[in-house]
Formats: sequence, structure tokens, C-alpha cells
Amino acid sequence: NAGVTQTPKFRVLKTGQSMTLLCAQDMNHEYMYWYRQDPGMGLRLIHYSVGEGTTAKGEVPDGYNVSRLKKQNFLLGLESAAPSQTSVYFCASKARLAGSTDTQYFGPGTRLTVL
Amino acid sequence: AQSVTQLDSHVSVSEGTPVLLRCNYSSSYSPSLFWYVQHPNKGLQLLLKYTSAATLVKGINGFEAEFKKSETSFHLTKPSAHMSDAAEYFCVVIDNSGGSYIPTFGRGTSLIVHP
Repeated sequence: NAGVTQTPKFRVLKTGQSMTLLCAQDMNHEYMYWYRQDPGMGLRLIHYSVGEGTTAKGEVPDGYNVSRLKKQNFLLGLESAAPSQTSVYFCASKARLAGSTDTQYFGPGTRLTVL
Repeated sequence: AQSVTQLDSHVSVSEGTPVLLRCNYSSSYSPSLFWYVQHPNKGLQLLLKYTSAATLVKGINGFEAEFKKSETSFHLTKPSAHMSDAAEYFCVVIDNSGGSYIPTFGRGTSLIVHP
């Protein structure tokens, strides 16, 4: 049971390049989330998904797209990277049982630098 | 609407002395509240959670938190700090309404432990 995994762990991009971050969970969770973490800002929600085939915008969605084609995977895409997207990205998942009382499980993070 | 405020961006203590990390929340409905810990270059790990059962919640590593509705607070405490407690701590609130289980994170409190 690997929990939540993220690929890659580190990446350096040039402005304008594109990339996809992969999040995978093996806990059969319905909910999945993408956050970015910047110094002094806590975690800010980019996009989330409440089930396979569904996605929704979070607090800071601009410049990102997501897809949830399979229940276990949640992809975060940057079509044209900008230096403002330099950040650490965390994926999380949560079961839908018992509503909001369930714990979110976090991946180890992806450190992205855009030059 | 929900929000959370962590009152201190940094807290510095000596090893063996008590720890107090302060969190105030705002929620339109009965909230669920969580504390997560993040060690350097790691993902987030759940410390404890309040889900409308006992107001004093015990977590891992000797931490506990008390839900005080009248003060809208959920402060995290530990009687005696250990060097390994040095980390970033996040208070999280989820509003138990509307079936939308989107957490709101505080900006984090960095706990520094001196020998």
C-alpha cells in the first residue's frame, strides 16, 4: 500500500514549456486535490475532483488544467509555464465516507522551478 | 463561509518547555478541524482532528487540542517540546454543510525548538 505518490519529485522548466504532474493513490478514494505551497501562504487549492471524470476549480486555478480519467489518478497540467508557478505542489486524496471528518492523505510533493 | 487564522507565523521554544500553537476559525456551520504537521521537505501528516465528539482531542506524539466554540479556537498544545517537533504546523477547517468537503488551510506556524 503506497498511499499517495507523485511523479516527478523535482522539475525545472523554462518559461513557456509545458508539463504534467501525476498523482496516484491506491486507497480507492473518491476525492482528490491539487495544492500549491508557497512560503507564508500555506496550501492553496488549485483544482479538485469528487470522482472519476469530474473536476472543479479551487482557489487558484488560472494557468492549470486537470484530468481525472481514472479513479486512482489525478493529473495536473501546465500548458505554458510561468515563473509565478514556481512552487511545491502537493496532491491529496480523501475517502467520501462520513463526509468532512475524513483525513486527507498527502503525497510527498513535487518541487517545480520555472526559469 | 469558512476561514482559519493561525495567529503566529513562528513560535520558538526551548526543548522540554510547553508548546502552544494558536488557531482561530470561522465557520457558518458546525466545523471539523484538523492539525497537520509538515517536516522539512516532506508531505503533510495528520496530527489530530476534531469531529464534534470530545472537545479535547489527543493526537500523535503527545500533542492535543481543545475545541472551544465560544472562542472559535482550536489551539494545539504539547506539555514538553522535543527537538523532533521542529516543523511547520497547519490548522485546517472544513465547514460541514452543502456536501462540499473542501478544506481551508491556515498559513502555517513554524515551530522552532532550541536545545
